Amino acid sequence: GDSVTQTEGQVALSEEDFLTIHCNYSASGYPALFWYVQYPGEGPQFLFRASRDKEKGSSRGFEATYDKGTTSFHLRKASVQESDSAVYYCALGGRRGSALGRLHFGAGTQLIVIP
Amino acid sequence: EAAVTQSPRNKVAVTGGKVTLSCNQTNNHNNMYWYRQDTGHGLRLIHYSYGAGSTEKGDIPDGYKASRPSQENFSLILELATPSQTSVYFCASGDWGGALNYAEQFFGPGTRLTVL
Repeated sequence: GDSVTQTEGQVALSEEDFLTIHCNYSASGYPALFWYVQYPGEGPQFLFRASRDKEKGSSRGFEATYDKGTTSFHLRKASVQESDSAVYYCALGGRRGSALGRLHFGAGTQLIVIP
Repeated sequence: EAAVTQSPRNKVAVTGGKVTLSCNQTNNHNNMYWYRQDTGHGLRLIHYSYGAGSTEKGDIPDGYKASRPSQENFSLILELATPSQTSVYFCASGDWGGALNYAEQFFGPGTRLTVL
């Protein structure tokens, strides 16, 4: 079945460091790929998505590129801030006509940014 | 702005008791979802719904029932709660949004359930 793997359970960085959170997926067909962010005490919120090969999604300085060849959608940010501390989820989603929009989430990566 | 609310926000239940978690959305979305969140597992889908009167099993439906009496409301029911169901539960709503080929989901703030 469809699945998402996030290899880092936790990442600790200093402010202004470069961030990479790895996301690899396994899916039949051509899923859309998403990043969600969850701040303490809140529900996950949509960050951005990409829906075709080589498409770059971005928001709030974060970006990721859909790579069908390596089945990856790694999250990157050039310079993290303390306010970026949160849990980040990679997810893949079915397209219209397939399982009505359900998402498969990775295990999540907790980002800790030390001021 | 999408609006999904959940009640209660916190719940302590006893083993064997019945628990109902409620979710309300004001987005007029057709699709609604229930997830549970556990460390190391991320978000796992329990049940989902395409519209009023419909419910479908997700990946971990055992021990849970769902009810969608209206477009706005989606409940998760634990008939006989067990300590293994201690978790944080999230409801979400979503839709195709016209020309979109994917469904973005909007999450509620979560319900923390403890089963003693």
